[in-house]
Amino acid sequence: AQSVTQLDSHVSVSEGTPVLLRCNYSSSYSPSLFWYVQHPNKGLQLLLKYTSAATLVKGINGFEAEFKKSETSFHLTKPSAHMSDAAEYFCVVSDQDSGTYKYIFGTGTRLKVLA
Amino acid sequence: EAQVTQNPRYLITVTGKKLTVTCSQNMNHEYMSWYRQDPGLGLRQIYYSMNVEVTDKGDVPEGYKVSRKEKRNFPLILESPSPNQTSLYFCASSYRVDTEAFFGQGTRLTVV
Repeated sequence: AQSVTQLDSHVSVSEGTPVLLRCNYSSSYSPSLFWYVQHPNKGLQLLLKYTSAATLVKGINGFEAEFKKSETSFHLTKPSAHMSDAAEYFCVVSDQDSGTYKYIFGTGTRLKVLA
Repeated sequence: EAQVTQNPRYLITVTGKKLTVTCSQNMNHEYMSWYRQDPGLGLRQIYYSMNVEVTDKGDVPEGYKVSRKEKRNFPLILESPSPNQTSLYFCASSYRVDTEAFFGQGTRLTVV
């Protein structure tokens, strides 16, 4: 069965320093992987997605993620945090399970950016 | 503009009073789903629909019903709401289940 683990429930960084949000997944087949961002009192917005093309995926607002099959990881990074990056981030795996496709969310990582 | 529209955005109701949360998408997507979001649990899928008249249970379907009579609409029905259904609900649609999902703005439901 598929699952997604976001290794940190909260991450704090200073403005201008790198961001790393960690995500591990388990999957029986070739998954599609996504990162979504949720700003306070807002819906979810797609940051980036991996669908078996290039393993390094670039997204919006300077974020990128690298798919590492050997480590079953899909960590989200950004070289320099901005105050506007403060939000909750969700890692999602879409995969087949017993003939049906599932779209499974991690429990989220809340990113705090300090001035 | 491509969008998923949920209504209402906020709802306070009493235990046992039937309610419906509407969801509509204008992107001709086949796949639609409902999620509830609770602190520390992320988003959990309630029901999903692969196409018109095709619906199936997600991970937390108890106490909910859905219908998909038209491609664009996917209402969520709580026949007899209970306080443990107090949550933030999101509707989403996508072209296929393994493609980008578009989310509504959410419905914050409180059952007292």
